[in-house]
Parts: sequence; C-alpha cells; structure tokens
Amino acid sequence: AQSVTQLDSQVPVFEEAPVELRCNYSSSVSVYLFWYVQYPNQGLQLLLKYLSGSTLVKSINGFEAEFNKSQTSFHLRKPSVHISDTAEYFCAVSRSFGNEKLTFGTGTRLTIIP
Amino acid sequence: DTEVTQTPKHLVMGMTNKKSLKCEQHMGHRAMYWYKQKAKKPPELMFVYSYEKLSINESVPSRFSPECPNSSLLNLHLHALQPEDSALYLCASSQEDNRLAGYYEQYFGPGTRLTVT
Repeated sequence: AQSVTQLDSQVPVFEEAPVELRCNYSSSVSVYLFWYVQYPNQGLQLLLKYLSGSTLVKSINGFEAEFNKSQTSFHLRKPSVHISDTAEYFCAVSRSFGNEKLTFGTGTRLTIIP
Repeated sequence: DTEVTQTPKHLVMGMTNKKSLKCEQHMGHRAMYWYKQKAKKPPELMFVYSYEKLSINESVPSRFSPECPNSSLLNLHLHALQPEDSALYLCASSQEDNRLAGYYEQYFGPGTRLTVT
C-alpha cells in the first residue's frame, strides 16, 4: 500500500515571498505523484504531476515540484506567492499500474498574508 | 469540455430521509468515482465504476448506495444517514480506471456539501 505524509498542516506566507510545501511518500512499488489544489468551497484541481522522465515538473501558474526518489519526496515550491494562491494543497500518490486509486495526504493550508 | 457537474450543491437531510446525489460528465470517460471529504481532511475513495460496473467498494456502509445508469451519469443514493456522514461528497471521472495503457487524469466536480441533522 501507498501512504503520503504532509507534515505541515498550515503554512502562512507573506505575499511575494517564496514557499515550500513538503510531501513525503511511502511505497514498495513504482508510483505516480500529484499535487492537487482545493480553493475554498470548490472541488479539487490537478496542479501538477510526476509520471516519469524529468524529475522537475512545473505548472502554468508558477508552481513546481521535484521528485526525489532517494528521499521519497515530492515537495511543492513557488518563488513568489500571490493572494490568489490561498488554498488547501493535497499531495497524492498512486501506483503506476493497475487501478486508478489515489491516496491523498492530509493537506496543507496555504495562507497568504498581504 | 473537461467539466464534471454535481447536483445539488448543498443538501440538508434528516436521518430518516432518502435523497440522491447526482454527477454527470460528457467527456466520454468510462470510469467514475465517489469520494467523501470530511472537514479539514483529505478525500477518501468510496466507490469506483468502470464501464458502468462497480469495480471498487471501499467497505462503505450500505446506507450509501451507488448507481451508474449510463456512462455519463453517476448517482449516490442516501438512506438513514447519521450526523457523522455530514461531509463534502466529490465525484470524479477519468478516461479509464486501469493503467495497463497509461495514465488517466481524474477530473473532479465541485462537490455536494451534505449536512445530516
């Protein structure tokens, strides 16, 4: 089975400052890794994903995440945050084969301080 | 169109009521999912339908009854719920649910916020 750990339940950051949201996973098999974002009172949106290839993946709104197999991590970073980035961020993992079953971490609430 | 729609947006029901949640997608996806998300918690998978057949049931109590009448629709019938069932119920869909042929992104709807009184 797979598991995901997001150690930081809340991260307050000043506007235009950099941020890193941490995610570690555990799995005995090959996995895919994801970051989902949930804005207040909305569903989940896929922010970015790692399937294979380059370990650094980027989103269209400035976020990036790096897959580190040796440290079993997939941390999310943004060099300069905006008020609109305020949301809940979930890291998720699934096996790279078989059923499409996502296992989510407990989430990190990112709050941007003006 | 990459939209998954869910109705109603909000639902308040008593413990003796029977109600249904609806989910619809028109992306030609053959896999559909129900998730339950409690406040300040991650989504938890409840059911997966693949080609209109139930493929995964995550040991959900029988007071939750899923139904997939066709490839575009997914219902969740609710009966005799408990207050602890109050949560955000999310529907998702993907092209397939089995990765023999590759990765299939799950698209999520906005959810139905259910309150059981």
